[in-house]
Amino acid sequence: DQQVKQNSPSLSVQEGRISILNCDYTNSMFDYFLWYKKYPAEGPTFLISISSIKDKNEDGRFTVFLNKSAKHLSLHIVPSQPGDSAVYFCAASYNQGAQKLVFGQGTRLTINP
Amino acid sequence: ETGVTQTPRHLVMGMTNKKSLKCEQHLGHNAMYWYKQSAKKPLELMFVYNFKEQTENNSVPSRFSPECPNSSHLFLHLHTLQPEDSALYLCASRAPERSSYNEQFFGPGTRLTVL
Repeated sequence: DQQVKQNSPSLSVQEGRISILNCDYTNSMFDYFLWYKKYPAEGPTFLISISSIKDKNEDGRFTVFLNKSAKHLSLHIVPSQPGDSAVYFCAASYNQGAQKLVFGQGTRLTINP
Repeated sequence: ETGVTQTPRHLVMGMTNKKSLKCEQHLGHNAMYWYKQSAKKPLELMFVYNFKEQTENNSVPSRFSPECPNSSHLFLHLHTLQPEDSALYLCASRAPERSSYNEQFFGPGTRLTVL
């Protein structure tokens, strides 16, 4: 039983448009959520996070939205750039920290020129 | 050298071999992790070390044996592995709690193939 799910294995978006990556979770005890980005032959790199006390966090072109009632979060990238092409992982943890992360399966984002 | 490094980057071993994966971090972090990523599966947490003490073993088979001699180094000793253990093994580290950031930083991984 997967506690963090990314139901779209892949997503293709035109350069300059908005990319929206989705993530659902089942455990209401999760209180801290993160997005990681992974290029081939590299480890995941931290992108942005959000605490459960917030519903939005923005950092440049990246915004994460959290809907606790729906147990859903999303990552918006706008405008999308070719360098954004990568696999994006959603992760969740307990106790307002990143001590023990539970990851989704990842979504491969391709930005087309 | 900065960040989290892992060696080797690729490893091919037979089922009777003994090998070790190494992870090193130069970030001053006190928590270190081993993860396994199999094809089309989420990253699975294997072990957690805090201040050199193992605080989590996620029901990992004994053919995987972690070692953390100090806060900067983490090893994963492998023996009598099975072909289904072939995967990407990722190491991560994290800053102490209550620091200004507490996300995990990952190494590039070791791609392991068991024949």
